[in-house]
Amino acid sequence: DGGITQSPKYLFRKEGQNVTLSCEQNLNHDAMYWYRQDPGQGLRLIYYSQIVNDFQKGDIAEGYSVSREKKESFPLTVTSAQKNPTAFYLCASTKETGRSTDTQYFGPGTRLTVL
Amino acid sequence: GQSLEQPSEVTAVEGAIVQINCTYQTSGFYGLSWYQQHDGGAPTFLSYNALDGLEETGRFSSFLSRSDSYGYLLLQELQMKDSASYFCAVKGKAAGNKLTFGGGTRVLVKP
Repeated sequence: DGGITQSPKYLFRKEGQNVTLSCEQNLNHDAMYWYRQDPGQGLRLIYYSQIVNDFQKGDIAEGYSVSREKKESFPLTVTSAQKNPTAFYLCASTKETGRSTDTQYFGPGTRLTVL
Repeated sequence: GQSLEQPSEVTAVEGAIVQINCTYQTSGFYGLSWYQQHDGGAPTFLSYNALDGLEETGRFSSFLSRSDSYGYLLLQELQMKDSASYFCAVKGKAAGNKLTFGGGTRVLVKP
């Protein structure tokens, strides 16, 4: 089955530690995205990548870093510079066909808690 | 920039009809999308309006009026499984293929 996988589902981090969240897709999608969701809130874009080896900052990129070395993988690192990282992190992907109707497919999410 | 406003919560009974409004401010966009998210789950795509008017997909319909900077999602014949959060989103013309999401509307369906 094609889809997007994120791991781990739950992640606990001590203050001052960097952690990396995994996102893998086998949909052959071109673009991948990372969102942060706080309780009762909408989705805010952290980083996105439209092609391999290229990525752009979203609206809340400070304290985060990404890489896109392979088409199917887009890991997100939450660094110690991110002052309030406890949140639900969602990865998404899109097949860029050039049509405005391209929809985003989301992974199951990783819930990060800072202890 | 782009911003979208939605009511925070709506409560209704099974079998009822609920309309979730979305007003937006944007310098130009391709269309208005709607996503559903159950508690603890991932958002899933529901519908998309590129043009003004009504799009119907089963029990759900979505409407867009560009002149009024307004859209809505209509949920008919509500079922308990429709209890979820619903987000409107726009893909801005000046923002590549990025989606900007509203804050979401939590729909609670009661028996």
